[in-house]
Amino acid sequence: GAVVSQHPSRVICKSGTSVKIECRSLDFQATTMFWYRQFPKQSLMLMATSNEGSKATYEQGVEKDKFLINHASLTLSTLTVTSAHPEDSSFYICSAGLAGPDTQYFGPGTRLTVL
Amino acid sequence: QKEVEQDPGPLSVPEGAIVSLNCTYSNSAFQYFMWYRQYSRKGPELLMYTYSSGNKEDGRFTAQVDKSSKYISLFIRDSQPSDSATYLCAMSEVRPGNEKLTFGTGTRLTIIP
Repeated sequence: GAVVSQHPSRVICKSGTSVKIECRSLDFQATTMFWYRQFPKQSLMLMATSNEGSKATYEQGVEKDKFLINHASLTLSTLTVTSAHPEDSSFYICSAGLAGPDTQYFGPGTRLTVL
Repeated sequence: QKEVEQDPGPLSVPEGAIVSLNCTYSNSAFQYFMWYRQYSRKGPELLMYTYSSGNKEDGRFTAQVDKSSKYISLFIRDSQPSDSATYLCAMSEVRPGNEKLTFGTGTRLTIIP
């Protein structure tokens, strides 16, 4: 199957700092990538849809100025959590759409802990 | 009412048993149905992908979709301890490659050796 990577896999930062998470499709080009967050024992909550070369579409209730998304190429999307606070601590997962089998493949996730 | 309902479990069964996981949904426009497996602290892994009603089999896994009842199922035969994970159903109205998915809450499954 298609491979999606995320970096870093885990990050711990101090409150007030910014953190960047990368999502890469390793063996295919993805015009669309999605960013989710997941709280313990809960399902995935879609944060935003990222399209290559255009602005991301954010879900209702997600602060676009806090969660900056950039999709600069067909294989890379980044999520930057700006001025992180402890309530931003979560598991962040990206997915990338693949036109052939026409489905989405998920990255391994990034665990963010804000102290 | 949530668009997709899934029993969160936890569900524990002995090794070798047949496991049945289910989701119901309210949006009759959903046409594409997926099952993902997620191990603890990992990203979801696509298991099965079906379009419209019918059955699809892949090894020990069988996915069933009944659009008339708005009900989908995943069966796991000869369950193994390595099947212990959270199983998420997901669905979309149009081809899901570039469209957001609607997820169930996930069912935590434990296979007891």
